[in-house]
Amino acid sequence: DVKVTQSSRYLVKRTGEKVFLECVQDMDHENMFWYRQDPGLGLRLIYFSYDVKMKEKGDIPEGYSVSREKKERFSLILESASTNQTSMYLCASRTAGISLPGANVLTFGAGSRLTVL
Amino acid sequence: GENVEQHPSTLSVQEGDSAVIKCTYSDSASNYFPWYKQELGKGPQLIIDIRSNVGEKKDQRIAVTLNKTAKHFSLHITETQPEDSAVYFCAATLNTGFQKLVFGTGTRLLVSP
Repeated sequence: DVKVTQSSRYLVKRTGEKVFLECVQDMDHENMFWYRQDPGLGLRLIYFSYDVKMKEKGDIPEGYSVSREKKERFSLILESASTNQTSMYLCASRTAGISLPGANVLTFGAGSRLTVL
Repeated sequence: GENVEQHPSTLSVQEGDSAVIKCTYSDSASNYFPWYKQELGKGPQLIIDIRSNVGEKKDQRIAVTLNKTAKHFSLHITETQPEDSAVYFCAATLNTGFQKLVFGTGTRLLVSP
């Protein structure tokens, strides 16, 4: 029944390492999102993608990049991890059809908790 | 852009009591207001939403109210149960074009038996 799968639940990386966070959805959704969750700050949008090959910056894109080569997969990349990127990362997807059932509803993955030492 | 404030940050109630979480938004053009519940170890999940053409919506023990004039909306949970313990997020968005949700900072609800 899993619909949005984040490949790693827990990661520990060192400062300066390149980090890949992978997200796969099986609902044929066009829109995909990466959020960062920090205590007291809620969910902040890092990047989103309208559809395959498309990407847009969210509210806090600095230090991150993304890749959407296939419709079902949306990857978040930390080119050079820093300690202030220690956080919980949440991937989500949504249908683009505003008249379809479930329009506007985000389906989230379980999250990837990243610790950068 | 939209800004959403959420209060309180933590809320402790006894089982059977009611719980109320409040949010305010800044953009008067926002017209879609969902609430998400995040249980421990899971991603957030939609529990109820409301659009700006409606003042109140209920689903069993949960309800959401919207005051467009004051630009605030609230989640009401009645007859709370221990399984209601979770983090709750409100959000707001314009329902035209590409709808980006702006989330509040979250409320940790603890229901004690």
